[in-house]
Parts: sequence; structure tokens; C-alpha cells
Amino acid sequence: EVQLVESGGGLIQPGGSLRLSCAASGFTVSSTYMNWVRQAPGKGLEWVSVIYSGGSTYYADSVKGRFTISRDNSKNTLYLQMNSLRAEDTAVYYCIYVSGGYWGQGTLVTVSS
Amino acid sequence: DVVMTQSPLSLPVTLGQPASISCRSSQSLVYSDGNTYLHWYQQRPGQSPRRLIYKVSNRDSGVPDRFSGSGSGTDFTLKISRVEAEDVGVYYCMQGTHLYSFGQGTKLEIK
Repeated sequence: EVQLVESGGGLIQPGGSLRLSCAASGFTVSSTYMNWVRQAPGKGLEWVSVIYSGGSTYYADSVKGRFTISRDNSKNTLYLQMNSLRAEDTAVYYCIYVSGGYWGQGTLVTVSS
Repeated sequence: DVVMTQSPLSLPVTLGQPASISCRSSQSLVYSDGNTYLHWYQQRPGQSPRRLIYKVSNRDSGVPDRFSGSGSGTDFTLKISRVEAEDVGVYYCMQGTHLYSFGQGTKLEIK
């Protein structure tokens, strides 16, 4: 059974850093492409980043230069390192296995002083 | 960047009646491999999104056959043949041909 479990969210001050994790089971993260998508409170879905099986990474303009997507093949886990956080980064962050159609439950990141 | 435009943004529907959501892209979504990476998601209140349709018209496992997807190029449609109470939520189209982007979402409610 495929499962995606995000963790690492919380309350952080503007300018701070946070690392989100997404532990995957039921498939191999390194064999496919994995995405992070976020949803601000009461708003729609916004694509954030993707990492392909070959290691290529891409980012939305809104997070480019501040966020880094990565994976640990030995732990079958996806990460999102978020630096220089801003109030507008406040959202529920989901990891998604697009080709399989699976989403995690999401982890809430709140950027506020 | 590919802009995805959904309409309507609000969709009040009577139980048992059909519903239709349009999704238009600013560029063709046909990829170089011949596939069209246009998917539809349902987000019920308080839940994570769930994929309903992948690559335009393929229904995911467990999705009722009252849901169907169609379209090509830049113009796509999600149809619900007879709306049920459990269909309440927000529906999003997402393209995965030119990186990724979502439509604004269409909120379906029961009239």
C-alpha cells in the first residue's frame, strides 16, 4: 500500500528555516518524480517543486533560491528545505507522487512573528 | 509558465443533476511523447486532494463512473453525470506537461 507521511511543519518566524520530510512507503521515491505542492489557508493549490528520478530539480518562481528539494534514497524520503521564510509561505505543504496519484496528509507551516 | 483557467469557479448543482467544469490551458498540453498530462483532482472539505482522472480521460481506481474527463490540446472538461451529496468539494485541474500548474479550483455545492 502506498503511503506518504509529511512531517516537520510548525510555527516559524519570518526569515527562519524549516525542513519538511515526506516518508514514502509502497514504492521507491528515487524511481519516479516527486513534487511538493502547497495550499495557503482558504486558497487553491500551488505547485512548489519537483525532483525527477535522474535528480533534476525545478522550482516555482515564488520559492526559487529559497527552497531546495532533495531525497534520501536509503530512507525512501523526500525533503523540502525552506530558507528565508516569509509570511506568504504560510500553507499546508503536501508531497505528491503524481504518476501514482497519491498525496500525503499535509503538514502546516505558519510563518509569523 | 502555463496558466490554467477553470470555469465556473462556483457551481451550485441540484442532487441528481449533471455538472460540468471547464479547464483551459494557455499552451497545448500535448507532450513530446504524445501524452497529454492533464489531471483532475477532488478536494473534499478538510481532506487532502484525491485524483479522479489522469491523462485527460482515465478514471482512477475506485472513482465512480459518473465522473468522466474529456478534451484535447488546450480545452478540457470534467463531467459528473448525476451529482451526489458526497461530490461536494473543490475540483482542480492540473497540468504536468510544462512543469506543473493548477487551475484556480471550482467549488461544487448542492443547491
